[in-house]
Amino acid sequence: DAEITQSPRHKITETGRQVTLACHQTWNHNNMFWYRQDLGHGLRLIHYSYGVHDTNKGEVSDGYSVSRSNTEDLPLTLESAASSQTSVYFCASSELGRTSNTEAFFGQGTRLTVV
Amino acid sequence: GENVEQHPSTLSVQEGDSAVIKCTYSDSASNYFPWYKQELGKGPQLIIDIRSNVGEKKDQRIAVTLNKTAKHFSLHITETQPEDSAVYFCAASKTGGYQKVTFGTGTKLQVIP
Repeated sequence: DAEITQSPRHKITETGRQVTLACHQTWNHNNMFWYRQDLGHGLRLIHYSYGVHDTNKGEVSDGYSVSRSNTEDLPLTLESAASSQTSVYFCASSELGRTSNTEAFFGQGTRLTVV
Repeated sequence: GENVEQHPSTLSVQEGDSAVIKCTYSDSASNYFPWYKQELGKGPQLIIDIRSNVGEKKDQRIAVTLNKTAKHFSLHITETQPEDSAVYFCAASKTGGYQKVTFGTGTKLQVIP
């Protein structure tokens, strides 16, 4: 069955270190998204991509970057981890919708703690 | 940009009772409104959605209503069961070409047996 997987599921890192969270989907979806989930804020969009070599900033993109070299993967990089980036991160994917919206499928999340 | 407000943030109901979660949105151009359920330790999962050309949609014990004039939409769960306990998110987005979804802040629903 097609799926979307995130790794690692849990990560503890030190302030200032570079961290990369992986996201891999086998749906062959064009759209991929990264969200962070924090209490009282719900899900906030970090970056998104509509296809290979396409990346776009979301509402909370500072300190994060993504790259899309193939359809299946959208890794999220924290250039220099900060305590404010302690959060649960979710990756999602959806089909390219031109005339109607399509369902987004979420991974199981990565809990990142920056100490 | 779009802003989605969701109430209440927590909701406790007795098993068998109904639960209602309400959301408002700011962008009148939004025309797609999905609802997601997030169980503990898992990612959100779509449970029902509604488009702006429809006022109400029902799927078994779950229904969603949309009032475009007032720019609010609601999730109704009837005959609640313990397995309905989860965090529920409303969201809004626009159709056409590309999409990105703006989420509400979530409602933690607890169904008491």
